Order: sequence, then C-alpha cells, then structure tokens
Amino acid sequence: DQQVKQNSPSLSVQEGRISILNCDYTNSMFDYFLWYKKYPAEGPTFLISISSIKDKNEDGRFTVFLNKSAKHLSLHIVPSQPGDSAVYFCAASGEGGADGLTFGKGTHLIIQP
Amino acid sequence: DAGITQSPRHKVTETGTPVTLRCHQTENHRYMYWYRQDPGHGLRLIHYSYGVKDTDKGEVSDGYSVSRSKTEDFLLTLESATSSQTSVYFCAISGARRGAEAFFGQGTRLTVV
Repeated sequence: DQQVKQNSPSLSVQEGRISILNCDYTNSMFDYFLWYKKYPAEGPTFLISISSIKDKNEDGRFTVFLNKSAKHLSLHIVPSQPGDSAVYFCAASGEGGADGLTFGKGTHLIIQP
Repeated sequence: DAGITQSPRHKVTETGTPVTLRCHQTENHRYMYWYRQDPGHGLRLIHYSYGVKDTDKGEVSDGYSVSRSKTEDFLLTLESATSSQTSVYFCAISGARRGAEAFFGQGTRLTVV
C-alpha cells in the first residue's frame, strides 16, 4: 500500500515557465513533508520542506503548497531553468508512519530550452 | 554538503556471497538509515539506527542485516546476495527521528550476478 504517491512519472516544461510537481498521501498521521531533487549517479539532495501547521513555504524559486484536507502537496518552480532537470521525490514523515522518510516513486522533470 | 561517505561506490558480486556496505558520517547525527532505490519504486527503507547498537527494520529488510558499533559508522550486510538485491543503496543521516530532513550519501551501485 503506497502511502506517498507521485502519479506523474515524467513532466516536460519549457525553460522560463512554471513547473508544478504533485504529490498525494494517504496516511493522515504524516505531519512533515519534504521534496528532494536527484541527479543521475548522485544521492538525493534536500530541496524544501513544510510542516503540517503551514500551508505554504517558499525558498527562492521553490514553493511548496500543502492542502491537508485533500492530502495533497505540490512543488512549484518559477522560473524553470535547465539545471532543474532531475528526478524529484516527495517524502513524508510523522507519528503512525514508519521511522525515517516514506518516499514517492519520483517525477522526472525535463526542462526544454 | 553533509559529511557522509559510502563505500564502495560500485560493486559486482556473485550470487550467494556475503556483501557489506559501509556508511560513515562526520556530523555526529544520531539517526542513520539505509535505503534502496529501484526503478518504479522510489526509495525504500531497509533498516535504520537510532543510536549505537540500536537498530530496527524498515519496509524491505528481508535478506539484510545492519550493525552500528560507533556513532559514525552504519554497516549494511547482505547475508547471501541474490539478483533481486541488485540496486542502488543510499545511506542517510538525520538529527531527529521525525520532522527533520535527512541527508544522503552518494550511493553504492551493487550488481549481483
């Protein structure tokens, strides 16, 4: 039973436009959510996080939105740049979940010139 | 970058042989994790540690064991490697059990032939 779902395996966006990556979760006990970025042959790197007491967190070009009632979060990247091409993983943690982070399967973001 | 070193970075081994992967950290973080990444599965937790000699199983622990005799080192052992254990293995560290980001190593690509 997948508790964190990223339903889009890939997403193609034009350079300079907004990239929106989506993530859904099923475990209502999750209270902390994270996005990681991963380049080939490298480890995942932390990008941005949000606590369940907030509905938005912003860091430069990256903004994460959380809709608790819908159990949905999204990552917005504005404007998209070629270096943003990578696999993005959504992750969650909280009481009632396993220790450590529970990850989605990832979305491969491709930024087109 | 967080001080996490995984060794070896690449390994090819034969079915039935034991294999040990090492994770070394210089951050003095209490929590350490082993994940595996496979196509179509994202990252899945194998085992984790919440202190010296304190370890527990994750989602996909069958066929793996771990040991943590020092704060800085977390070892993952494949008792008798199988082809299904061909994967990329990532070690991660965190300063908190939940509600905090985890930092990942560069990964170990293991091929079991």
